[in-house]
Amino acid sequence: AQRVTQPEKLLSVFKGAPVELKCNYSYSGSPELFWYVQYSRQRLQLLLRHISRESIKGFTADLNKGETSFHLKKPFAQEEDSAMYYCALPGSQGNLIFGKGTKLSVKP
Amino acid sequence: GAGVSQSPSNKVTEKGKDVELRCDPISGHTALYWYRQSLGQGLEFLIYFQGNSAPDKSGLPSDRFSAERTGGSVSTLTIQRTQQEDSAVYLCASSSQSGSGYTFGSGTRLTVV
Repeated sequence: AQRVTQPEKLLSVFKGAPVELKCNYSYSGSPELFWYVQYSRQRLQLLLRHISRESIKGFTADLNKGETSFHLKKPFAQEEDSAMYYCALPGSQGNLIFGKGTKLSVKP
Repeated sequence: GAGVSQSPSNKVTEKGKDVELRCDPISGHTALYWYRQSLGQGLEFLIYFQGNSAPDKSGLPSDRFSAERTGGSVSTLTIQRTQQEDSAVYLCASSSQSGSGYTFGSGTRLTVV
């Protein structure tokens, strides 16, 4: 069955430090993976999808099929990156399956 | 509209009452989804509509929950005989095709007292 695991509920880093938000998945075949972000008091929004191989707000994510991971990385965290981050992949019901999320806190 | 619109934004109801939550998706988006977001539980999938097809209801947590989508556009999620454990943020999303990136609404925060 499809599953997304985000092992960290909370990740706290200082401004300027590198950040990596972990995501591991279970999926049969080649998945399309997504990262969504929810800033305080804002709606959940798409950050990036692996198929587009783009960098958004300095974040990148590489699909590692061998490790079944899709970790989100940024070399230098900013305070405005503080938010909830969700990793997601397509489910069997035509939906997206989300991880439980990681709250990123970037301290000054 | 330009985005996914949900109403009301906040709803406080007494235990045992019925509530209706509304979602107006992006025009032209054929797929519509309902999720429930609870603290520490992430996003729980509830139900999915694709065009005018019958929805997959297997994600609904109990038979007190139902949803419909009229004319392939606006959707209503109904919770009957609300319980305190129903308190959560109910999110609606739409997409141009199933399994692709979603656009989310701002949600309805339901509080059952």
